[in-house]
Amino acid sequence: EVQLVESGGGLVQPGGSLKLSCAASGFTFSVSTMHWVRQAPGKGLEWVGRIRNKTNNYAAEYAASVKGRFTISRDDSKHTVYLQMNSLKIDDTAVYYCSRHYKTDVPPLDYWGQGALVTVSS
Amino acid sequence: SYELTQPPSLSVSPGQTARITCSGEALPKKYVYWFQQKSGQAPVLVIYEDSERPSGIPERFSGSSSGTMATLTISGAQVKDEADYYCYSRDISGNRVFGGGTKLTVL
Repeated sequence: EVQLVESGGGLVQPGGSLKLSCAASGFTFSVSTMHWVRQAPGKGLEWVGRIRNKTNNYAAEYAASVKGRFTISRDDSKHTVYLQMNSLKIDDTAVYYCSRHYKTDVPPLDYWGQGALVTVSS
Repeated sequence: SYELTQPPSLSVSPGQTARITCSGEALPKKYVYWFQQKSGQAPVLVIYEDSERPSGIPERFSGSSSGTMATLTISGAQVKDEADYYCYSRDISGNRVFGGGTKLTVL
């Protein structure tokens, strides 16, 4: 059974940092591209970024709204993807979901975690 | 920045057909994906590559795309289909974006 479990959410002050984790199981994590998507309270979905697999040199891409502040990394030995968030702003308050793109012949974002709530407030 | 435009809301009666649209300049060249999100839950993929249905998604869900507009169709909508629906695609440069979402009410 495919499972994605986010952790690390919480309350942080503006300008602070937080690191989210997403632990994967039930599929071959190392071949997958992993995505982060967020949803502000009462708002729509926003793509945050993705990290590709080793074959693609672990290349990462980001939305313009977080580029330069957020960093996505992964540890294939731990089947975990991370989202390091720095210089946090109030507008970064959201539920953060991780999702996968398993292989090119499998549709992207077919499984999602339950989400981790990040609240940026003083 | 690139935008995908959806109607904010749509209301249909049970058994009617619901059609949710998504418009974007790059859609003639990029696939559209559709997600269903029920209150308090993570999104679920219901259509990929414009018109393909993942396993486990009921046949009443279908998708199409023509020109700059894609459409998610729910034939014979049921009360349990009440949810927010989001389209998702890429711009010409490859940047990924979600539409603003459509709140479907079935009652």
